[in-house]
Amino acid sequence: KAGVTQTPRYLIKTRGQQVTLSCSPISGHRSVSWYQQTPGQGLQFLFEYFSETQRNKGNFPGRFSGRQFSNSRSEMNVSTLELGDSALYLCASSWVAGSTDTQYFGPGTRLTVL
Amino acid sequence: QKEVEQNSGPLSVPEGAIASLNCTYSDRVSQSFFWYRQYSGKSPELIMSIYSNGDKEDGRFTAQLNKASQYVSLLIRDSQPSDSATYLCAACNMEYGNKLVFGAGTILRVKS
Repeated sequence: KAGVTQTPRYLIKTRGQQVTLSCSPISGHRSVSWYQQTPGQGLQFLFEYFSETQRNKGNFPGRFSGRQFSNSRSEMNVSTLELGDSALYLCASSWVAGSTDTQYFGPGTRLTVL
Repeated sequence: QKEVEQNSGPLSVPEGAIASLNCTYSDRVSQSFFWYRQYSGKSPELIMSIYSNGDKEDGRFTAQLNKASQYVSLLIRDSQPSDSATYLCAACNMEYGNKLVFGAGTILRVKS
């Protein structure tokens, strides 16, 4: 079974631009979560989607948004990019949204903001 | 106060030894705990999950959970150089859905 896929793998943008990242979960998985990883802050939760609905959101500004489609694929968008948005963005999927569900991570998208 | 705390290391052990990685968490209501391994430049890879007090073994790995002490640990037996990586501890509270709260990670170095 194919794992979580993320596109693009690498991205370079300039300040003020916006970016859209895509995530395709493992087949059959309906919950998709997004995380940001930076050397200073570590892995931080951005948001979670289940059945096209945002179930939970982390402590990030409104410039960070996301959505989920009927086939469970998810996108996240960052508008008005700042230098501090440079990070590895990870998507994780699980069968359903529950505390005993294991989340499997994709390879990530490395975003560099210049 | 960080919600999940880990010693950043590096923890250095000789090949063949037991590596012991520790994690404490502050949210007493957390129900699920996970250990992920992350190689440099790669994404986290699940090693173990544990939900009940006690030990859970999988091959060379044993996870231990003590909810009264809010403590989770991971033991790696017969450590190999390929085990050298950052080990991330994560906690999940069902009230927040699938939100994983991660520790900063412990760097493990296994010397051959």
